[in-house]
Amino acid sequence: DAMVIQNPRYQVTQFGKPVTLSCSQTLNHNVMYWYQQKSSQAPKLLFHYYDKDFNNEADTPDNFQSRRPNTSFCFLDIRSPGLGDAAMYLCATSRAPRGDEQFFGPGTRLTVL
Amino acid sequence: QQQVKQSPQSLIVQKGGIPIINCAYENTAFDYFPWYQQFPGKGPALLIAIRPDVSEKKEGRFTISFNKSAKQFSLHIMDSQPGDSATYFCAASNPNTGNQFYFGTGTSLTVIP
Repeated sequence: DAMVIQNPRYQVTQFGKPVTLSCSQTLNHNVMYWYQQKSSQAPKLLFHYYDKDFNNEADTPDNFQSRRPNTSFCFLDIRSPGLGDAAMYLCATSRAPRGDEQFFGPGTRLTVL
Repeated sequence: QQQVKQSPQSLIVQKGGIPIINCAYENTAFDYFPWYQQFPGKGPALLIAIRPDVSEKKEGRFTISFNKSAKQFSLHIMDSQPGDSATYFCAASNPNTGNQFYFGTGTSLTVIP
């Protein structure tokens, strides 16, 4: 089945230790998104790629970076995780950037010790 | 600034009841209004979506009512079941800002057997 896959499902890191989260998709969608979702809150968009074009949200901290080496893969790098970065990180994809359905992965739960 | 306002924050109904979740928006440029269902530990999954050219859409037990003049839309779940217990997010998409989804704050629904 075509899908959005996130690895790992659970990630534990130490305060200040860089961490990379991975997302892959078999849907061949043009757009890939990264969201941060804290407990009992709505998903918050961090950035998205439309093909290779990177679009950063204005309030996304510099601590968060992303890479998209090809259509299928997208990575979220957190350079120096703080306690406030503990959250669920959701990857999503869509065919086009206009009013189209976004398909979400299962998420990676990040814990910062 | 919350672009999409969602209420109530939580809702408890008996099995067979009809929970109603409401959302309101201000930006008339929004042209796509999805509802997502999220179970604990999982990513959001699209439930049903509507565009502003129709006032109602039904898919199975789920119905969206859309009032363009009032800038409001709502989700109705007919014959609710315990398996419908989840968090529901409304969202709106603005084609002028690259399909960024503006999520509501979520409604935690509990259906009591």
